[in-house]
Amino acid sequence: DIQMTQSPSYLSASVGDRVTITCRASQGVSNYLAWYQQKPGKVPKVLISGASTLHSGVPSRFSGSGSGTDFTLTINSLQPEDVATYYCQRYNSAPPTFGPGTKVDIK
Amino acid sequence: EVQLLESGGDLVQPGGSLRLSCAASGFTFSTYAMTWVRQAPGKGLEWVSGIWGSTGRTSYADSVKGRFTISRDDSKNTLYLQMNSLRADDTAVYHCAKVQSFAVTDAIDIWGQGTMVSVSA
Repeated sequence: DIQMTQSPSYLSASVGDRVTITCRASQGVSNYLAWYQQKPGKVPKVLISGASTLHSGVPSRFSGSGSGTDFTLTINSLQPEDVATYYCQRYNSAPPTFGPGTKVDIK
Repeated sequence: EVQLLESGGDLVQPGGSLRLSCAASGFTFSTYAMTWVRQAPGKGLEWVSGIWGSTGRTSYADSVKGRFTISRDDSKNTLYLQMNSLRADDTAVYHCAKVQSFAVTDAIDIWGQGTMVSVSA
């Protein structure tokens, strides 16, 4: 089974900071990687699929990169409304699996 | 507007059964893969099961294989999850979710609000 890890598990940053979250797969998943944002008490929302394709309506300060086993989600200029837990998900084969999540807070 | 409305969550005893339903609207249900994703209280997301659009092929997480069955009724735009031999660690909010293509091996683009399943004596 392909295992997904994320780092860090928690981060606290200031408004306006650039934030980077890493997702790593135990085996190559090509670019079959999505990122989701889950705000407190809310349903998850897709941000990025195909490792780097921003979904409609997602602010341009979010970006994704990577291929194979190593991926990153970057938030340029962190905003208060970005407080959330972020999950990666690999979907190269069934069953797809999520990473454990990264909680992002404002310092 | 795309909507997914889950129902069927309840408190059930260990070893019991439950059937979840998800009524979909606002898109051509039959052509998209659908999934169930659960989230235990205070925990992360766990992909549970998925069913392809058109073919009806299914996939399950190892944690539920042999106990849960996913199905769909395209004439009713409804997704189901039959859950048998329930255990305490199945306690979670179960989200119905639409995949962005016909294949389960794709990203999820729409999530339902979820229905709570509690397994306890």
